[in-house]
Amino acid sequence: GESVGLHLPTLSVQEGDNSIINCAYSNSASDYFIWYKQESGKGPQFIIDIRSNMDKRQGQRVTVLLNKTVKHLSLQIAATQPGDSAVYFCAENTPLHGQNFVFGPGTRLSVLP
Amino acid sequence: EADIYQTPRYLVIGTGKKITLECSQTMGHDKMYWYQQDPGMELHLIHYSYGVNSTEKGDLSSESTVSRIRTEHFPLTLESARPSHTSQYLCASSPAGQGTEAFFGQGTRLTVV
Repeated sequence: GESVGLHLPTLSVQEGDNSIINCAYSNSASDYFIWYKQESGKGPQFIIDIRSNMDKRQGQRVTVLLNKTVKHLSLQIAATQPGDSAVYFCAENTPLHGQNFVFGPGTRLSVLP
Repeated sequence: EADIYQTPRYLVIGTGKKITLECSQTMGHDKMYWYQQDPGMELHLIHYSYGVNSTEKGDLSSESTVSRIRTEHFPLTLESARPSHTSQYLCASSPAGQGTEAFFGQGTRLTVV
């Protein structure tokens, strides 16, 4: 198929360590953000979301941080487990794209035993 | 567990054939999407729909077409498949309005030989 974009960066962490995955989003008008996890052969699954009126949101073992000043989003995973190995995508929802989701390039997380 | 289904999961087809990828959701969502994803690459929006009888082109040019005759059904058609159409196609849906997650199907991996 037509290949547009970059190959995925990879983050390798030891099991039990914390992981931080970063994402730079493109549109200052974006008002809603999601982190998705995609395992091999599957569709993306929702992990956590955050609205633009917040700068931090916590879930179970995951935390999302939003810095609107520099248009940066991060996903922190505490006590990383082998089941966390996957590709992680951030997605921004923007009125300028018909309120559609625009996905970042993704990061492959590998958890080492 | 999201109630959005794609069939087939895998398809190998010869050049020049017409194919339709099926996507159905039982959540009553108004918005539906088709994304194209090459292995190890990011997701690109190729089509979306706001509801019945609405179809829009996405950010990435595609030779495929879509239709939305029923709320729950958003099929994607390729009139004449080519090897360049080899890719993974992901369908998603979301409720109308801002600030709601998109639910993804498992994807269809298409190979055109």
